[in-house]
Amino acid sequence: DAGVIQSPRHEVTEMGQEVTLRCKPISGHDYLFWYRQTMMRGLELLIYFNNNVPIDDSGMPEDRFSAKMPNASFSTLKIQPSEPRDSAVYFCASSLGTGLSQYFGPGTRLLVL
Amino acid sequence: GNSVTQMEGPVTLSEEAFLTINCTYTATGYPSLFWYVQYPGEGLQLLLKATKADDKGSNKGFEATYRKETTSFHLEKGSVQVSDSAVYFCALSGGTSYGKLTFGQGTILTVHP
Repeated sequence: DAGVIQSPRHEVTEMGQEVTLRCKPISGHDYLFWYRQTMMRGLELLIYFNNNVPIDDSGMPEDRFSAKMPNASFSTLKIQPSEPRDSAVYFCASSLGTGLSQYFGPGTRLLVL
Repeated sequence: GNSVTQMEGPVTLSEEAFLTINCTYTATGYPSLFWYVQYPGEGLQLLLKATKADDKGSNKGFEATYRKETTSFHLEKGSVQVSDSAVYFCALSGGTSYGKLTFGQGTILTVHP
């Protein structure tokens, strides 16, 4: 299995621009998670889906952030408009069932200038 | 709600030294417990897990035992290598956090030759 795939791996953009991060979970997994990691705040869960349905988005920082999962093999996290404080590494993870191991992608390093 | 507390870092050791990273948790019911490792520039990888009391998870020379009486899941390794330098995260699943992981803040380990 190819594991969790994220794209792009690196993104540099200017403040105010729209940013879209993409994730392909491991085939057959029914949970998908979006995390953000920064030095200051550590690892934060932003939102997670079960069977393509958002279950908990309480970690989404504000309305500028949105996430979708149109099918079992694809999810997006969008930031519009982006701000310098959004600079972080964004991870996608997937798992099969609850209480089981999550498998993380390599992350997208976002820098907003 | 659920919470995970890891020992303060960073931890610096010489090669072949004994490693302990403490982890304690708060959760209702019977959570599953995990240790994840993050190497520089990479996503988190599952290192080991335990799903019930007194279970011992082990992998790559690392061990951790699920101690319900002390609500702990300490990570140990008898002889560390330079290649073990990474950030280690303790996490739990279950209790009030249905479907998602609750992570500790992470402990940075540096091993010198």
